Amino acid sequence: GAVVSQHPSRVICKSGTSVKIECRSLDFQATTMFWYRQFPKKSLMLMATSNEGSKATYEQGVEKDKFLINHASLTLSTLTVTSAHPEDSSFYICSAPLGLAGGDNEQYFGPGTRLTVT
Amino acid sequence: AQSVSQHNHHVILSEAASLELGCNYSYGGTVNLFWYVQYPGQHLQLLLKYFSGDPLVKGIKGFEAEFIKSKFSFNLRKPSVQWSDTAEYFCAVTAFTGTASKLTFGTGTRLQVTL
Repeated sequence: GAVVSQHPSRVICKSGTSVKIECRSLDFQATTMFWYRQFPKKSLMLMATSNEGSKATYEQGVEKDKFLINHASLTLSTLTVTSAHPEDSSFYICSAPLGLAGGDNEQYFGPGTRLTVT
Repeated sequence: AQSVSQHNHHVILSEAASLELGCNYSYGGTVNLFWYVQYPGQHLQLLLKYFSGDPLVKGIKGFEAEFIKSKFSFNLRKPSVQWSDTAEYFCAVTAFTGTASKLTFGTGTRLQVTL
């Protein structure tokens, strides 16, 4: 099956610094990728849709200036948490659909990145 | 906007017991329905999916789910669970918006299977 990787798997940063998380589709191209945030004992919350060659689409309530998304190529999307605060500590997961991002194409998930802001 | 409810937050079963996890969704249009599993320390994996056709869907590892449109439900079942089924299970729905299918997840059900 298709593989999606994330890097790093775990990161600890100080409050006020910025952190970049990478999401790569390893054996397929993805014009669209999705970024989720998973809170402890809670569901995955869609943060934004990353679009190759255009601006990301953010969900309501997600600060676009804080969570910068760049879809640099057909296999790479990055999420940068700017000026991180402890409340940004969470598990961030990306996914990419195999094929066109619509209809019945299955999404493949990365292993997630655990961010801890001290 | 669509929403998904999973009423069982934590389920504990003995091996060989039967499993049914509830999932209800809220959306007036056509939806695609999914069950994902997250084993400890691993990433989300697709268990099964329903797009159209036979409402009884069979997935991997002996799991199945039944789409009941009138009840807006997509419950997950397995006749006999194994210890290795211990994991977090997420029901999800997509409503195709024409540009991208956005997954909406339920809150998840933690299944613990004891020996």
